[in-house]
Amino acid sequence: DVKVTQSSRYLVKRTGEKVFLECVQDMDHENMFWYRQDPGLGLRLIYFSYDVKMKEKGDIPEGYSVSREKKERFSLILESASTNQTSMYLCASSPREANYGYTFGSGTRLTVV
Amino acid sequence: AQSVAQPEDQVNVAEGNPLTVKCTYSVSGNPYLFWYVQYPNRGLQFLLKYITGDNLVKGSYGFEAEFNKSQTSFHLKKPSALVSDSALYFCAVRDYKLSFGAGTTVTVRA
Repeated sequence: DVKVTQSSRYLVKRTGEKVFLECVQDMDHENMFWYRQDPGLGLRLIYFSYDVKMKEKGDIPEGYSVSREKKERFSLILESASTNQTSMYLCASSPREANYGYTFGSGTRLTVV
Repeated sequence: AQSVAQPEDQVNVAEGNPLTVKCTYSVSGNPYLFWYVQYPNRGLQFLLKYITGDNLVKGSYGFEAEFNKSQTSFHLKKPSALVSDSALYFCAVRDYKLSFGAGTTVTVRA
């Protein structure tokens, strides 16, 4: 069964910490995405990547960075965690073609205290 | 810019009754439309998609969706809802990336 795996289901971090969220896909997909999900706001795109070492800002990139050194792995980095970054983070991947949807990971619920 | 709107935050139905979750879209060109479902504390699961062809699309778990170009709508439907269909549903449209609606919470009461 094809998969997108997020390394942690739940994380609790302190304000100011550097936080790494890891995502791995086994489908050889070109595209990978990071979203955050908040009640009433739906899914908001943070960053995405079309290929190894390539990244593009999404709708809310402030306070985040990403890394894609290998095709299967896409990391989201919170440079200095803040309480307003408490959220559910969802990773997804897809083939390049637009007629395909995304495959999502199970999500990481991050709490910053 | 492409976008979708889900006009209802919540939909409540009795088990066995028909379920409809509404979605309207705005795109330039031909739309690629998707429905996803999310159960509590889980990622999103693909239900169905419209790319081209028949306006009635059938998907997973007995769901279907009707594409209506003149009304720019893509409503999700199920003829007979189950309690287990209670979840959060997202409509989405894609060109180079997926843009999601805000989501509709469906509650099916026994």
